[in-house]
Amino acid sequence: DIVMTQSPDSLAVSLGERATINCKSSQSVLYNSNDKNYLAWYQQKPGQSPKLLIYWASTRESGVPDRFSGSGSGTDFNLTISSLQAEDVAVYYCQQYYSTPPTFGQGTKVEVK
Amino acid sequence: EVQLVESGGGLVKPGGSLRLSCAASGFSFGHAWMSWVRQAPGKGLEWVGRLKSNTDGGTTAFAAPVNGRFSISRDDSKNTLYLQMNSLKTEDTGVYFCTTDRAVAGTGFDHWGQGTLVTVSS
Repeated sequence: DIVMTQSPDSLAVSLGERATINCKSSQSVLYNSNDKNYLAWYQQKPGQSPKLLIYWASTRESGVPDRFSGSGSGTDFNLTISSLQAEDVAVYYCQQYYSTPPTFGQGTKVEVK
Repeated sequence: EVQLVESGGGLVKPGGSLRLSCAASGFSFGHAWMSWVRQAPGKGLEWVGRLKSNTDGGTTAFAAPVNGRFSISRDDSKNTLYLQMNSLKTEDTGVYFCTTDRAVAGTGFDHWGQGTLVTVSS
């Protein structure tokens, strides 16, 4: 199984400041035939179900604000919130769906400083 | 609008069984791959299993901790997905989410239900 490791486990950022979460996979999730990374990011607000933010490592899901961006390739990825808003307080998970079983990182809790 | 509504959760004793349902609407359920994901209290997300569409073979895959105890089925005429859980253990306790599974398409798990709570306790 591919192990996904996120850092940090928690992050406190002032409103309007940048938040960056890192996700590392134990093996590459880059699918060579289409040059796509099979890596997604999800946001889970307290008491809610997860919501897909980004897929293919950097493609925003429809309706996701452009302050959310994803980057990286192979085994090393980042989720960046360019200007943290109060409504972005949540736990964020990365997930690889390159191989079965699809696996998630342990989650990163983002709070307002 | 895509909607996934889980039901069937509850309290069950260790060794018992439970069947969860997920009613789907707003998309072509019969062509969709579907997955179940669970979340233990205060913990992260764990994929449980997947069922492909019947047009793609209708096969299943499961996470190691539930393999042989859980099964997934679908009734495309009712737009409903099921998770049959047998030989339940205390570590199966958590919220179970039904999701659309577009891993093969490359776009992840793009719709989630609100979840249903399963508690395994004596």
